[in-house]
Amino acid sequence: GAGVSQSPRYKVAKRGQDVALRCDPISGHVSLFWYQQALGQGPEFLTYFQNEAQLDKSGLPSDRFFAERPEGSVSTLKIQRTQQEDSAVYLCASSLGTSGSGETQYFGPGTRLLVL
Amino acid sequence: AQSVTQLDSHVSVSEGTPVLLRCNYSSSYSPSLFWYVQHPNKGLQLLLKYTSAATLVKGINGFEAEFKKSETSFHLTKPSAHMSDAAEYFCVVSDLGGNSGGYQKVTFGTGTKLQVIP
Repeated sequence: GAGVSQSPRYKVAKRGQDVALRCDPISGHVSLFWYQQALGQGPEFLTYFQNEAQLDKSGLPSDRFFAERPEGSVSTLKIQRTQQEDSAVYLCASSLGTSGSGETQYFGPGTRLLVL
Repeated sequence: AQSVTQLDSHVSVSEGTPVLLRCNYSSSYSPSLFWYVQHPNKGLQLLLKYTSAATLVKGINGFEAEFKKSETSFHLTKPSAHMSDAAEYFCVVSDLGGNSGGYQKVTFGTGTKLQVIP
């Protein structure tokens, strides 16, 4: 596709339910990032992949959050036993290169998660 | 460590008047700086970026920003606001963070909502 896509766009979950959020990056992009954007806040870094390797997961808020990118393309962010504080927009971004602070990240439209 | 401060959470301007959105950053390394715009229910779109070349950077839709190292600032400006500029704007600092993997460490500001009054 032409850009980064994410699915589902909206997800309502009951507290305690597990959810899986999908990200399809731009074809050929090596780097993939996940962010969490709470209402009225800026995006906050969750985790980073370089191809299939998860090089940084320092932003994951708890061990209920797990991300994978097994073939170096599509990525899935999984949240187990969801809590109300997990309600946010989850953004995925990809960039072409593997290094350099000036790499442009291309963002998907996000998945809006509401935990009841 | 890196951080970014957007000094105004809301800015309101009249259509046709100049826009100034302020951003200050902190980085222990040579940073790159970005401005992204987010329209309601749309994804983040890159407006412009500074990557150690010219300090005055021109972006899309008539926006520009100037990197001032001495002031650790990267303010976003536009000479004349248009109704379509109403959106939320995020300043972003990026550096290599001293990590062995050499990948970007990125921090977003908390955002500035721009209101354009007809």
